[in-house]
Amino acid sequence: DAGVIQSPRHEVTEMGQEVTLRCKPISGHDYLFWYRQTMMRGLELLIYFNNNVPIDDSGMPEDRFSAKMPNASFSTLKIQPSEPRDSAVYFCASSFEFNYGYTFGSGTRLTVV
Amino acid sequence: AQSVTQLGSHVSVSEGALVLLRCNYSSSVPPYLFWYVQYPNQGLQLLLKYTTGATLVKGINGFEAEFKKSETSFHLTKPSAHMSDAAEYFCAVNKGGGANSKLTFGKGITLSVRP
Repeated sequence: DAGVIQSPRHEVTEMGQEVTLRCKPISGHDYLFWYRQTMMRGLELLIYFNNNVPIDDSGMPEDRFSAKMPNASFSTLKIQPSEPRDSAVYFCASSFEFNYGYTFGSGTRLTVV
Repeated sequence: AQSVTQLGSHVSVSEGALVLLRCNYSSSVPPYLFWYVQYPNQGLQLLLKYTTGATLVKGINGFEAEFKKSETSFHLTKPSAHMSDAAEYFCAVNKGGGANSKLTFGKGITLSVRP
C-alpha cells in the first residue's frame, strides 16, 4: 500500500488566493482526518470524516476553510481566501478503526505571502 | 474532556543512555493511548499503542511504554538511545469509537541525542 498520499507537498500562494489541498487515504480506512501543525499551536484537528460523512468540524478555524470527501478515496481541504496566518503544515491521516491508530500523510507545507 | 500533558518541550540524552519521555493523560473513561514519532519534514508515524490487555506495550525501534492507571501515565522509554532517535515525539489519547474517535495530541517533545 502506498500509504496516505497528499498533494501538493509544498504550496506557495499569495494572500487572497484560493488553495486546495488533496488527500488520498489508505484503501479500506473508514476514518479520515485533517490536521494543521504550527510551531505556536502544535497539532490541531480541523475536521474528520467517517465513511465520507463529516463527523466533527469544530476545529475548522473560519468559514474560509471547507473540506469535502466526495468518495472513499479522495478528500480536499480548501481555503478561500487564504491569509498569511494560514501558513502551516497540513496533514491528512486515515484509520481503519478508532483504536488502530492513524496513518499520516507526509503533509502539505503551505506558505501564504 | 480528555487531555494529554507532555512536560517539557525538549529532552537531550547521550547516545547509549536511557530515553524517558513522560506523558500523563486525563480521561473520564478507560483511554486508548498512543505514541507517535515525527522526523523532520515528515508525517507522524505510530510507535506503539495501548488499547486493552497487557499494560507494557512494545513498539518499533526498541521503544516501549507502560500504562499505569493509578498514575494516569503512559511514559515512553528506550534503554539505549541511538542518534537516529532524534525526532519529535507525541503522546495521544482517545476514548473510543463513533464521535469519540478523534485523537487528542500532546504538544510534543523534541528528543536530541548527543554523540
